Amino acid sequence: QVQLQESGPGLVKPSETLSLTCIVSGGSISSSSYQWAWIRQPPGKGLEWIGNFYYSGTRYYNPSLKSRVTISADTSKNQLSLKLTSVSAADTAVYFCTRRKMSTSWRDYWGQGTLVIVSS
Amino acid sequence: QSALTQPASVSESPGQSITISCTGTSSDVGGYNYVSWYQQHPGKAPNVLIYDVTNRPSGVSNRFSGSKSGNTASLTISGLQTEDEADYYCSSYTSSSTWVFGGGTKLTVL
Repeated sequence: QVQLQESGPGLVKPSETLSLTCIVSGGSISSSSYQWAWIRQPPGKGLEWIGNFYYSGTRYYNPSLKSRVTISADTSKNQLSLKLTSVSAADTAVYFCTRRKMSTSWRDYWGQGTLVIVSS
Repeated sequence: QSALTQPASVSESPGQSITISCTGTSSDVGGYNYVSWYQQHPGKAPNVLIYDVTNRPSGVSNRFSGSKSGNTASLTISGLQTEDEADYYCSSYTSSSTWVFGGGTKLTVL
């Protein structure tokens, strides 16, 4: 069974860098069959796609976040990472990592999400 | 990229049917058959109901169905049950190789 587990600091100060990790078990992050993504949800609000990563190294980012976001993967540890720089209160959200089957819109596995609060 | 447009809330009685719309543009919903729908209960991660406009993963009730016409996709839930009360989100691939979500619809089953 595939499992995604997000982890990272629950509190980040304004202007600092938010760093999260998603550990993938039960499936390989190097698989050509899937694409991996980060999605976030501010408290009480809707979902926002942040960006994705494919095993070949191809990445795409939300244009509104592109200048601040980096998504990478450590295939030896089978984990996905997210870095978001110069954070503000607007970046307070639950951050999810997800898996999507290639050539479809089927986002079949989600982590449980991790809440990150940006506050001094 | 702009969020897809969904009604903020809908309500209906148990046993009835309801349709939630998701309107985009020719650069996203209208241009690709990569529309998916997600159900989210409070405090939980979203769960896929429909992918590629009309496909339903195994294990998802056949009371959920999807369709698309032009730039608008729709999710229909038939035989409403109290456990269907949740937030619903649509998502689409875009011409920029990115993904966009709708603002979400809160379904109340009266």
